[in-house]
Amino acid sequence: DQQVKQNSPSLSVQEGRISILNCDYTNSMFDYFLWYKKYPAEGPTFLISISSIKDKNEDGRFTVFLNKSAKHLSLHIVPSQPGDSAVYFCAASDYSGGGADGLTFGKGTHLIIQP
Amino acid sequence: DAGITQSPRYKITETGRQVTLMCHQTWSHSYMFWYRQDLGHGLRLIYYSAAADITDKGEVPDGYVVSRSKTENFPLTLESATRSQTSVYFCASSPGTEAFFGQGTRLTVV
Repeated sequence: DQQVKQNSPSLSVQEGRISILNCDYTNSMFDYFLWYKKYPAEGPTFLISISSIKDKNEDGRFTVFLNKSAKHLSLHIVPSQPGDSAVYFCAASDYSGGGADGLTFGKGTHLIIQP
Repeated sequence: DAGITQSPRYKITETGRQVTLMCHQTWSHSYMFWYRQDLGHGLRLIYYSAAADITDKGEVPDGYVVSRSKTENFPLTLESATRSQTSVYFCASSPGTEAFFGQGTRLTVV
């Protein structure tokens, strides 16, 4: 029973265009959502997060949108750059527990930026 | 150096052997976690710890043991390694919101 779903295993986008990565969740208790970026042979690195009290959070080229009624979030990268080619993981947490019981991750989307 | 470090980076072991993966963080984060990454599964939580001497099972704990006698260390032990435990293992620490990951240990059980 997957609580966090990333239905696109891979996504190819041209350099300079917008990349949109999607994520759906089923657990209504999740109240904090994060995106991680992972390069081969490295650990995941934190990219951006959003609390359930917000519907948008921006950090430079990265924006995360949250639609609670649809249990859906998306990560927008504008403009896409070659260094953005990586696997992106969506993660969620029931932060009311203080974050003690960890994050639930999706399976990841491999983003490929084409020159 | 500040951060979270895992050792070893690579390990090959035989079926039935005990092996311990080490994790050390310098931030004094309360929370620490062990995840495994497998193709088609993403990252799955093995064990977590809210503080020294407090640990709990995650999604896939069978065959693993953890301890946390000091805040900064969180070793993961495979008591009797099986081929299904061939994976990449990530340790992470968190102050309560985002988690910060180590570089991973690639474990192969032959």
